[in-house]
Amino acid sequence: GDSVTQTEGQVTVSESKSLIINCTYSTTSIAYPNLFWYVRYPGEGLQLLLKVITAGQKGSSRGFEATYNKETTSFHLQKASVQESDSAVYYCALGDRAQVVGQLTFGSGTRLQVYA
Amino acid sequence: NAGVIQTPRHKVTGKGQEATLWCEPISGHSAVFWYRQTIVQGLEFLTYFRNQAPIDDSGMPKERFSAQMPNQSHSTLKIQSTQPQDSAVYLCASSLDDWGGADTQYFGPGTRLLVL
Repeated sequence: GDSVTQTEGQVTVSESKSLIINCTYSTTSIAYPNLFWYVRYPGEGLQLLLKVITAGQKGSSRGFEATYNKETTSFHLQKASVQESDSAVYYCALGDRAQVVGQLTFGSGTRLQVYA
Repeated sequence: NAGVIQTPRHKVTGKGQEATLWCEPISGHSAVFWYRQTIVQGLEFLTYFRNQAPIDDSGMPKERFSAQMPNQSHSTLKIQSTQPQDSAVYLCASSLDDWGGADTQYFGPGTRLLVL
């Protein structure tokens, strides 16, 4: 089967400090993964933060970056300087590029709390 | 664009009652997905439709759960004889049905179901 493992629980970071949320995936059926980071801000729905469909490629959005490393099957989310407004729950997700349409497999979510 | 609409936002049912959850996908999106989110299991795929046809229901509990998409503007998830373990947030998502956009799913706000 497919699975996604990401930094568990809550991460607390001081404003302007750097952040990394780890994500690794495992798959027995997907030859060409699509990798995503979704985010849920307080009071809002789940929304796409960034996506990457090619190994070695970097995705970026709102100051966040993630590089798809096929060798280590990883897609870690990083930001050089976080802000209080980044406080949210972040989900790493895996899809299958070989399918036109298909389900996503999500990690358990990581709650980021940024304090001033 | 109103985004994916889900109704009701909250639903409380008694054990053994039926619950019907509604989803209206983004106009023009012909792929519709249902996911369930609990603290213990995280975000789990349930089922999806493409052009109103059921494609994959591998995540659906075999008993009591059913989903339909009678037209392109709405889908329903029905739970018969609800049990306390059905309590969860049920998320609907939609996507385009083409290679250019099908990899991005847009999520609704979710329906929080509580079974007493």
